[in-house]
Formats: sequence, structure tokens, C-alpha cells
Amino acid sequence: EAQVTQNPRYLITVTGKKLTVTCSQNMNHEYMSWYRQDPGLGLRQIYYSMNVEVTDKGDVPEGYKVSRKEKRNFPLILESPSPNQTSLYFCASSPNPQGYYNSPLHFGNGTRLTVT
Amino acid sequence: LAKTTQPISMDSYEGQEVNITCSHNNIATNDYITWYQQFPSQGPRFIIQGYKTKVTNEVASLFIPADRKSSTLSLPRVSLSDTAVYYCLVAGGKLIFGQGTELSVKP
Repeated sequence: EAQVTQNPRYLITVTGKKLTVTCSQNMNHEYMSWYRQDPGLGLRQIYYSMNVEVTDKGDVPEGYKVSRKEKRNFPLILESPSPNQTSLYFCASSPNPQGYYNSPLHFGNGTRLTVT
Repeated sequence: LAKTTQPISMDSYEGQEVNITCSHNNIATNDYITWYQQFPSQGPRFIIQGYKTKVTNEVASLFIPADRKSSTLSLPRVSLSDTAVYYCLVAGGKLIFGQGTELSVKP
């Protein structure tokens, strides 16, 4: 089944403890991206990647890192999480390497992160 | 970068047609317009996409005027299961979602 898989689905951690949220897609998509979703703010893009070893900042990249060493994986890294990073996170992919002009995004089911 | 504006919420009744309009005044020549549906605790799901004029699929229609500064998602004969948040997205390298429209369908 074609899908985007995120892990974990739920994560509770403490301030400053490094964490990684994994994202994997099995559709051989070029484009992958991360979003956070907060009440009243909708979906905001954190980082995106148009191909292996190519990443770029979205609207809200502060406090996050990403890497794209393989086409299928795009982990989101929080080196020193803070409470304001408590949010619902989504990973998405698209077959269009030019950052999605005419190809829909496929989203994972989300990771709910709580930082205390 | 194109920014989108949608109504925050809308109410409807089962069997009615619902039209949700999205404003995107700064849309670029290469940008497509895509609509997504999101249920609680799930990722957004693709509904329909278009570039200009009208597009129709089995679940919705998308109307885009000639100037492309807005678009309207039309859901025919909504049911309770259409209660969700609907997002308009104008595409580019950086993808900017609007705040979404929370549609509530009542019996």
C-alpha cells in the first residue's frame, strides 16, 4: 500500500531532550516536507526537500533540523525541544521534484508531540 | 509567495451544495490550486486540483476565474461525513496553507 509513515504517533518529552520523528514513504517520491499544525494557525511548513541531499527552509524552521540521505526517509530532528514546539506534526511527499506544482501531496497520519 | 484567505467556518445541512471560496491575490504563473480535506487526528487528504477554469471529479468541482486570484470549491449534496476542515493550497517550492475552513454539516 502506498503510504507515508510517521513514527511515533504520540510523543511526550521534556525540555532540552533531543528527539527525532521519522518519516518514510514507499512511493519513490522526490519531494518531501514537514508541517506543524496548531489551533488557529493551520498548517505551516517547517522544511522541505526536493531531492536527496537537498533541503530548504519553510515558514517556521527555527528549532528544527532535517536530513535527506535517502529518497524514502526524511527525519525531523529537534535538538533541544521547548514547550512552544508542542504541536501536531505532519510529513508529506509528492512525486514532483520541483516542489509540487501539479502533483498532490500525500500526508502521513501525524505525530502529536508534547514538550513539558 | 502566494497567501490564501478562506472563511474560518461554515455551516450547512445535509443534501445542500456547499461553496467555499479561497482568495489568493498573489498567485504566481506556475502555481496550481489544490484543495484538501482533513478529519480530526488524520493527515489532510487530496480532494481536487486545478490551474484555470473548471475542474470536476467524483467528489467536488473547482471553479477558477480567468484572473486566478480566487477559487471556489463546490461540494454537491453534502452529508454528515463531509464535516471536516478544508484547506486551499497554492503551490510552489514553499507551500503555504491557509487557516482552513471548518465545515459543519447538520442533519
